[in-house]
Amino acid sequence: GAGVSQTPSNKVTEKGKYVELRCDPISGHTALYWYRQSLGQGPEFLIYFQGTGAADDSGLPNDRFFAVRPEGSVSTLKIQRTERGDSAMYLCASSPAGFWGSNQPQHFGDGTRLSIL
Amino acid sequence: SQKIEQNSEALNIQEGKTATLTCNYTNYSPAYLQWYRQDPGRGPVFLLLIRENEKEKRKERLKVTFDTTLKQSLFHITASQPADSATYLCALPNYGGSQGNLIFGKGTKLSVKP
Repeated sequence: GAGVSQTPSNKVTEKGKYVELRCDPISGHTALYWYRQSLGQGPEFLIYFQGTGAADDSGLPNDRFFAVRPEGSVSTLKIQRTERGDSAMYLCASSPAGFWGSNQPQHFGDGTRLSIL
Repeated sequence: SQKIEQNSEALNIQEGKTATLTCNYTNYSPAYLQWYRQDPGRGPVFLLLIRENEKEKRKERLKVTFDTTLKQSLFHITASQPADSATYLCALPNYGGSQGNLIFGKGTKLSVKP
């Protein structure tokens, strides 16, 4: 597709369950980012991929969060043992490259709204 | 660590007026600064990027300024329209971390009344 695609658009699950959120970036974009956004706040960085490798995962809040990008395109954010505090909008963005000092805009998907009951 | 403050959570103006939104940062001056627009339930959409050696950047009715002495960027929408109503986010590169990711402000929610 022309833009960043995220699925599902909404996910409701019970506390303690495992969830996977998918991001399909713009074709050819090597850099992929995951952000989390709570109501009334700006997006907060979680993890950044350059190609297949996680170049920076310093934003992941704890070891229940994990993300992969095995073939350098689609990425999956995985959350184990979900907690109510994980409820938020999870946003994915991509850009042609993400090297240090890059000033390229990031192209965002419309996010997955995750609700933990 | 870098912190970003956007002047107000909400800004209400009349159609046709100029909206001015403020973004202040506290630490290092970044090489560039970006502005995004976000509509409810949607992801942010890139609007403008301004580099540290640029004082001003324009795109149609939008104008961004960057003052590294004041550590401030101003975002202007001239001849505002109700369709401009949205949340506007300021973002800086996170040099404290690794490459590429951005630090965002909380955003300013702009409402343009007809």
